[in-house]
Formats: sequence, C-alpha cells, structure tokens
Amino acid sequence: DAGVTQSPTHLIKTRGQQVTLRCSPKSGHDTVSWYQQALGQGPQFIFQYYEEEERQRGNFPDRFSGHQFPNYSSELNVNALLLGDSALYLCASSLGRSSQPQHFGDGTRLSIL
Amino acid sequence: SQQGEEDPQALSIQEGENATMNCSYKTSINNLQWYRQNSGRGLVHLILIRSNEREKHSGRLRVTLDTSKKSSSLLITASRAADTASYFCATVPPQGAQKLVFGQGTRLTINP
Repeated sequence: DAGVTQSPTHLIKTRGQQVTLRCSPKSGHDTVSWYQQALGQGPQFIFQYYEEEERQRGNFPDRFSGHQFPNYSSELNVNALLLGDSALYLCASSLGRSSQPQHFGDGTRLSIL
Repeated sequence: SQQGEEDPQALSIQEGENATMNCSYKTSINNLQWYRQNSGRGLVHLILIRSNEREKHSGRLRVTLDTSKKSSSLLITASRAADTASYFCATVPPQGAQKLVFGQGTRLTINP
C-alpha cells in the first residue's frame, strides 16, 4: 500500500523561473492538500483539491496554482519565483470530507538562488 | 499565519523521562491533531482529539484538550532516543475544508 509520493525530492531554481511539483496520494485517498514549510517553522496551508477543483485556499498569492487529475494526483505550480519561496513543500492526502488525519509525503525541498 | 503557539520551542531530556509539550490556539475547532516530523522528512500523524473529547491515549502518548482555554498538551512517557523529532499541533476549523493550521512546533531531543 503506497503512501504519499512526491517528486522531485530536491530542486534548485533561480529567481523569476517557474516550477512544477508533483504528488501522488495514498491509495484510496481522493483529496490532496499542499503546504509550505519554511525552515524552522510549521507548515502553512496553500490549498486543497477535491474532485479536481480547488476547495479552499490559504493566504498565498496567485503565483501559486495547482491542479488535480482524474486519478487524484496533483501538481503545484509556482510562477515568478522569489527568494522567499525557498522552503519544503509538503503534499498531504486524505479521504473526502471526513475529519480524518492527513497522510504526508516527504516533501520537495525547493531552493531559490 | 500560524494558528497556535507551542511551548516550549525546544525541550531536551534524558531517555526514560517524560516529555510534555503544550499548544495554544485562537479560534474554534472541529478537532486538534498532533504530528511528528523527523529532520528533513514529512509529518507523521500521532493522535487526533475531537472538540468534545478531553483526553485520549495511544500507546505512550497522552493528549488532553481544554476548549475553554483553547489549549492542548501532548505527554510522551518513558521517552526513547527515537522520539527525537519536532512535534506540531494542528487544528481543523469547524466548517469548510479539512485544512490543518499548524503551530510553530516543539523541537524535542532525547539524550541517551
């Protein structure tokens, strides 16, 4: 039973570039959430996808966008990268609207030079 | 923005001792969850306590919730070196999407 998988594990970009991060949810899960975790901080909610639609969004600019595919996998896109976007990006999956724990991947470490 | 504050920010104890971490939050909740994060890894769910519950146990973990004070505590008994990690509390709002709102975390170090 595969857990949440994220790719790539590490990525280095320069300011102004664009990046796409990928996530495959745990088997049986249909909801994907994305979080940004700066060094030494707790994760911050970016947005959540369910039934291929963005269900809720945190306090992040429009440079952050996402997509969910029919197989429930998801992508996070960030445009016009800033130095402050350097962080660990975590994907979490869960089942529908149930109030159950989320299962996290090991994240993508994004470094902006 | 962060929902809550964890206290202490860092805790160092000897193996075998008990570790207590506290979490305070600001708004109403559906439930509160505790997660563990080993360095450079994803978060692992430890325990979930609903807003109508006051205490919950899971193995060596004990969680309490006081909704009148908007606070929770996590107790790890008989600590082990493998418990060394960062611990986060996260709240889920009463309505809407099941998003997690995390605190800043407590860095726990267990000394052999």
